[in-house]
Amino acid sequence: AQTVTQSQPEMSVQEAETVTLSCTYDTSESDYYLFWYKQPPSRQMILVIRQEAYKQQNATENRFSVNFQKAAKSFSLKISDSQLGDAAMYFCAYRSDWMDSSYKLIFGSGTRLLVRP
Amino acid sequence: SQTIHQWPATLVQPVGSPLSLECTVEGTSNPNLYWYRQAAGRGLQLLFYSVGIGQISSEVPQNLSASRPQDRQFILSSKKLLLSDSGFYLCASTAGGLSYNSPLHFGNGTRLTVT
Repeated sequence: AQTVTQSQPEMSVQEAETVTLSCTYDTSESDYYLFWYKQPPSRQMILVIRQEAYKQQNATENRFSVNFQKAAKSFSLKISDSQLGDAAMYFCAYRSDWMDSSYKLIFGSGTRLLVRP
Repeated sequence: SQTIHQWPATLVQPVGSPLSLECTVEGTSNPNLYWYRQAAGRGLQLLFYSVGIGQISSEVPQNLSASRPQDRQFILSSKKLLLSDSGFYLCASTAGGLSYNSPLHFGNGTRLTVT
């Protein structure tokens, strides 16, 4: 079974600085999908970014980018120019490829990001 | 785009009482539906998922059950709640078919406290 590990329970960053959140996963599959979700205090789950394992290019979405290292099974999230609104819980998630029609996501335990003004 | 309606937002129930949480989805047909639970300060644990009407898969053995009586309706139930059932319950949906790379859409969640 696949597992997702986020080893940083909490991280802190100064406003306008850059922070990287770590995520590792364990799988025997070659094709899969990875996601980062943000959960602000409202507890609404918001998709931040996604990555297809067959793509070598790292995904980017404005100030958010990932460092996807397939061989190392690592999928870190970099937040540049951190803003107060970035303060939230961040979850890394894994999905098997299209052969698994459940499309279910397996989540890590989360990293709480604090942004200092 | 999909909209997920989940209710109630907050619920306080005594131990041993029944539970029914409901989730409905708008904006898509034949979605895959999911119930996740988030314990305080923890990650999301998948409880049940459904790929079609009447089709329920359980991920974790427990005293909860799920049903899907209609295409876009998903219900989480219990006959007798335990203290350990307290948590934040999230309903999620993704479009069925070739949507393997599409994200999950989440409802706003239900905070359940069992006393």
